[in-house]
Parts: sequence; C-alpha cells; structure tokens
Amino acid sequence: QQQVKQSPQSLIVQKGGISIINCAYENTAFDYFPWYQQFPGKGPALLIAIRPDVSEKKEGRFTISFNKSAKQFSLHIMDSQPGDSATYFCAASGGNDMRFGAGTRLTVKP
Amino acid sequence: DTAVSQTPKYLVTQMGNDKSIKCEQNLGHDTMYWYKQDSKKFLKIMFSYNNKELIINETVPNRFSPKSPDKAHLNLHINSLELGDSAVYFCASSRVTGYEQYFGPGTRLTVT
Repeated sequence: QQQVKQSPQSLIVQKGGISIINCAYENTAFDYFPWYQQFPGKGPALLIAIRPDVSEKKEGRFTISFNKSAKQFSLHIMDSQPGDSATYFCAASGGNDMRFGAGTRLTVKP
Repeated sequence: DTAVSQTPKYLVTQMGNDKSIKCEQNLGHDTMYWYKQDSKKFLKIMFSYNNKELIINETVPNRFSPKSPDKAHLNLHINSLELGDSAVYFCASSRVTGYEQYFGPGTRLTVT
C-alpha cells in the first residue's frame, strides 16, 4: 500500500525558477522525512531530511517545508539549475517502517 | 573508496535461472537493505537486515532470499527467475534503521 503520495509526477521549470515537489503521508508514527535525488543510471542519494519537530530546514538552494498537522511536506529548489534535472523521491520512515513516494522527474530548461 | 558497492552492475539471464547479487558497504553501518526499482522508477523496499538479523521482509516471493554473512555484506539470491523480476536492484545501508540511507549504484537485471 502506498503510504506516501508524491506529486507532481513530472515537472518542467525554467533555469532560475523555483521547483516545488509535494508529499503527503498517512502513518503518524513516521518521524523522519528525507528527500533523495537520483540521476539516470545512479543510485538515489540523500539530499536533505527533516524531523517533525521543526517546520522548515534549509540547505543551500534546497528547503524542506513540513506541516505536521496536515501530514504533508515539500521540497523547494530555489534558483533551479539544469544540473538539478533528476528524479526526486520523498520518503518517510519510523522504526522499521519506511516508504518512498513514486518520484518526480524534474527537468530544468536552460 | 566506494561506500556501498554492488556486483554485478548488469545481469542478463534467462527465465528459470538462479542468480545472485552481492552488496558490500564500508561505512561501518549496522543496517542494510535491498530495494527494487521497476521500469516506472518506483522504489520498493524488499528486505532489511540489522547486524545480520532480518528486520524487514516485505511481501516478496520466497524465490528471493537475502543472506547476510556479516554486517558489511548483504547478498540477494533469486531462484527461478521470471520476466517480472526484470528491474534495477539497489542495495543501501544506514547507521540506524530507516535513517540516512546510502545507496549503491544498482544492478540492472534483465530476464529474457
């Protein structure tokens, strides 16, 4: 069963624009919410993660916004660059349960 | 100094064969995982081991059998391969189960 719903499935953004990917989860026991970036032919790589005790975390151009009451979190990529073109996965985990979103293919046009 | 390595990178085999994929991590992590990524890029966890003990076993056909000889290695053996097993299989590891996972480069399995 899909416990983490991710949208959109694909996203096209102009260089310099803001990319926003959203995820929603169901299991309130989840306590760790990472985002992974995957380039073609490579394994997913941890990009940024957040715990539910904070509402926002920023690392460079990447920001996670977290809404615990709505059980939603999102990834914002500021000043998107062509090199950001990849597939992004949200995930949620807690204890021995972990689920991934279906992925968002981001294309940043020059 | 690859953190999580997998062999082979590509595997082409016929239906009915048995094959294994090996995974090793040099990060000193206690937990290792196997994931399957299908053609639509969906990532699904298959198994997780913590210190050689199976802790996650999702609904996976029993043709798939993980083996962990030590906490740095988690191998995946697949019996009687089927066309639907074609996918990319990723190994991953983390210091604590479910957190900050480091993925290997993947093994692309093609069953003909």
